[in-house]
Amino acid sequence: DSGVTQTPKHLITATGQRVTLRCSPRSGDLSVYWYQQSLDQGLQFLIQYYNGEERAKGNILERFSAQQFPDLHSELNLSSLELGDSALYFCASSVSGAGSHGELFFGEGSRLTVL
Amino acid sequence: AQKITQTQPGMFVQEKEAVTLDCTYDTSDPSYGLFWYKQPSSGEMIFLIYQGSYDQQNATEGRYSLNFQKARKSANLVISASQLGDSAMYFCAMRGLTGANSKLTFGKGITLSVRP
Repeated sequence: DSGVTQTPKHLITATGQRVTLRCSPRSGDLSVYWYQQSLDQGLQFLIQYYNGEERAKGNILERFSAQQFPDLHSELNLSSLELGDSALYFCASSVSGAGSHGELFFGEGSRLTVL
Repeated sequence: AQKITQTQPGMFVQEKEAVTLDCTYDTSDPSYGLFWYKQPSSGEMIFLIYQGSYDQQNATEGRYSLNFQKARKSANLVISASQLGDSAMYFCAMRGLTGANSKLTFGKGITLSVRP
């Protein structure tokens, strides 16, 4: 158990819909990362938050948005869903500072299926 | 920019034997970290081992060791005494250690199957 919690684990929805994926990082971790894993694109970095502020942006579509709340949990919002958005969405967290190599600890992922 | 290359096709190994999974990388960062993750069929990503670019010795973590050759920009994972539970997808990843951007860049992964 990595300590990172993601909900829901599975989600099936229709094209054009909007979903929200939720992530609770490990206790004490200030950074949250979102990744998308699909068969053809592999693991793609979407966005990173650090202590409530956006720190880095990757290949995140404009239809997608995220935020990190004061209690450090994060949400990834996916709107106007398309078939190609079907993927496994991972949240990961990390702690900075002495003793850490900056490794990411991943949640179990949220598997999104768009029909 | 950072790039991780994992080009091996699916790998097979006999139980109890050792196997090497290849990883090459490219980066302009003078200081960086290299990581290996395991993804079993259940889907979770499990951190295995870390190697810093300035570490003098190759990293080891139980049955996992990293064959780090900086000049060749390779960071191969060696799994000794393979077990059936090692069957999984393995990802090599890296990040720069300078600057504020600490995201990991992943390779496309290698599938390992352990035969009984």
